[in-house]
Amino acid sequence: DGGITQSPKYLFRKEGQNVTLSCEQNLNHDAMYWYRQDPGQGLRLIYYSQIVNDFQKGDIAEGYSVSREKKESFPLTVTSAQKNPTAFYLCASSMDHRQGIGQPQHFGDGTRLSIL
Amino acid sequence: DQQVKQNSPSLSVQEGRISILNCDYTNSMFDYFLWYKKYPAEGPTFLISISSIKDKNEDGRFTVFLNKSAKHLSLHIVPSQPGDSAVYFCAAQHFNAGGTSYGKLTFGQGTILTVHP
Repeated sequence: DGGITQSPKYLFRKEGQNVTLSCEQNLNHDAMYWYRQDPGQGLRLIYYSQIVNDFQKGDIAEGYSVSREKKESFPLTVTSAQKNPTAFYLCASSMDHRQGIGQPQHFGDGTRLSIL
Repeated sequence: DQQVKQNSPSLSVQEGRISILNCDYTNSMFDYFLWYKKYPAEGPTFLISISSIKDKNEDGRFTVFLNKSAKHLSLHIVPSQPGDSAVYFCAAQHFNAGGTSYGKLTFGQGTILTVHP
């Protein structure tokens, strides 16, 4: 079954600690995205990657970092610089949108990050 | 700057009736619109989309209407079923006229739909 796998489902961070959220997809999608959802709000874009070895900041990139060494994988690191990391983190992927055609993004089931 | 707004936080509907979820946007450059359904502790599931060159798209019980002049879209669910109870997000996408585009989605805040048996 093709899909997007996020792990872990729940994660706890101590003060001053960096944590990494995993996102793997086997949909052969070129583009991958990280979003953050806070209670009562919509999803906000953290980082996105259109192609391997390339990524761009989204609307709320401060305190986060990413890498895209493989097409299938787009891990997100929440650094100690992110002062309010408690949220639900969602990874998504889509086909190559650079063709100029709208492409829906498909989401994983998310990782809930909390502060200890 | 909330470019996509869902002004109704919640909607309650009787089973079998029509559910109408609304969404307004301010950015006239948006040219692709999507609706997602989300259950608690899960990722959003893509439901239906519409290109800005159309005014209606239908898929089974789901129909999306786009009114570009009013910058308004709506999702109709007919007939509504208890399993439709979830949070519904509308989202909008924009393709850069210069050719370098990316599929960034701008989301509304969501509407909680409850369908009563």
